[in-house]
Amino acid sequence: EPEVTQTPSHQVTQMGQEVILRCVPISNHLYFYWYRQILGQKVEFLVSFYNNEISEKSEIFDDQFSVERPDGSNFTLKIRSTKLEDSAMYFCASSEYSGRIYNEQFFGPGTRLTVL
Amino acid sequence: QQQVKQSPQSLIVQKGGISIINCAYENTAFDYFPWYQQFPGKGPALLIAIRPDVSEKKEGRFTISFNKSAKQFSLHIMDSQPGDSATYFCAASMEKLVFGKGTKLTVNP
Repeated sequence: EPEVTQTPSHQVTQMGQEVILRCVPISNHLYFYWYRQILGQKVEFLVSFYNNEISEKSEIFDDQFSVERPDGSNFTLKIRSTKLEDSAMYFCASSEYSGRIYNEQFFGPGTRLTVL
Repeated sequence: QQQVKQSPQSLIVQKGGISIINCAYENTAFDYFPWYQQFPGKGPALLIAIRPDVSEKKEGRFTISFNKSAKQFSLHIMDSQPGDSATYFCAASMEKLVFGKGTKLTVNP
């Protein structure tokens, strides 16, 4: 069964450093998302991406964050200068259709980001 | 308006019992309501979903009941099993998913 994959599974970084989290969405999916989950809290939307453009972003997704689809398979989230409060699980998700039609989003296993 | 309220925060059920988790929303523009199951250290996995033109959807032991006028929906897990022990999130969607805070379900053997 196709699945979303994410690397690395755990990333430890120093405050102020740049990190890139990588995702490989399901191959025929067209809509891509990043969510984050601070330990013990709910999953929060960060950004959605379609046709090489950001469709929507939350207020969490400030200028320190960027997303890119550098090739036909990878989808990346970059945090330019990490803060302690960026420590969280970051989930990539993908869906075949947009939310207005049928929004079955499939999640990857997540990357645990620890900022020291 | 974008919130989804979920209760209870935690739930303990005996094996074979019925687990019921409730969610409420305010934004009537939401048009898709999925439930996700999450095991520790894993990503959320889609369990079952419903659209607002349907009042109930059943898949195996899992049933969603949807009350459009009350803006509420619930997940019922029949014949709960220890393997169902996980955190369950309801969500509502237009494009992005707006998640509830989650319910930690423990099913005792």
